[in-house]
Amino acid sequence: QKEVEQNSGPLSVPEGAIASLNCTYSDRGSQSFFWYRQYSGKSPELIMSIYSNGDKEDGRFTAQLNKASQYVSLLIRDSQPSDSATYLCAVNENFGNEKLTFGTGTRLTIIP
Amino acid sequence: DTAVSQTPKYLVTQMGNDKSIKCEQNLGHDTMYWYKQDSKKFLKIMFSYNNKELIINETVPNRFSPKSPDKAHLNLHINSLELGDSAVYFCASRTTGTGYGYTFGSGTRLTVV
Repeated sequence: QKEVEQNSGPLSVPEGAIASLNCTYSDRGSQSFFWYRQYSGKSPELIMSIYSNGDKEDGRFTAQLNKASQYVSLLIRDSQPSDSATYLCAVNENFGNEKLTFGTGTRLTIIP
Repeated sequence: DTAVSQTPKYLVTQMGNDKSIKCEQNLGHDTMYWYKQDSKKFLKIMFSYNNKELIINETVPNRFSPKSPDKAHLNLHINSLELGDSAVYFCASRTTGTGYGYTFGSGTRLTVV
């Protein structure tokens, strides 16, 4: 059973601090990795994608990938109350497989 | 607006009824999906179509039947609804090929009473 695991939280972070969200995956052949943000009652929204080992930065967001450890993380710098949401990690398995497998999500709360 | 649109947004129905959910995307994507999100926020794939052809059919009761009249539309018909079918159903689409994320529709909250 190919799995994507996240700490369900809730994770509480003071406003202005760095929020760190973690995800591990079981399929060593996985190729593409995504972070989605989902506000309560809304649909998931793609915020970051990463394909190569290392860091990828986009504004206040940094995705980190370590394929050897089968680990992907999302850092949110200068956290804002508007960042409070559930963050979903998703993994695309081997080439040719069109399916994204999602983790159960981490609920993040930014405390003003 | 370019988007993935689903209708209806809310659906309340009695056990045993048959209902349909419609999805349309104008993004030019080749692949469309149905996902079910349960009360714990877990998103589980149900079906996927690539250019009208069924390519993923997960372990889903055969009361659920997808239909794709063209690559921009993917509908979901559910027969004999059960209480356990209550969930949020999301349609999504993406460009074919590994490395592309999904664009999700706004979801349909189905409540079976």
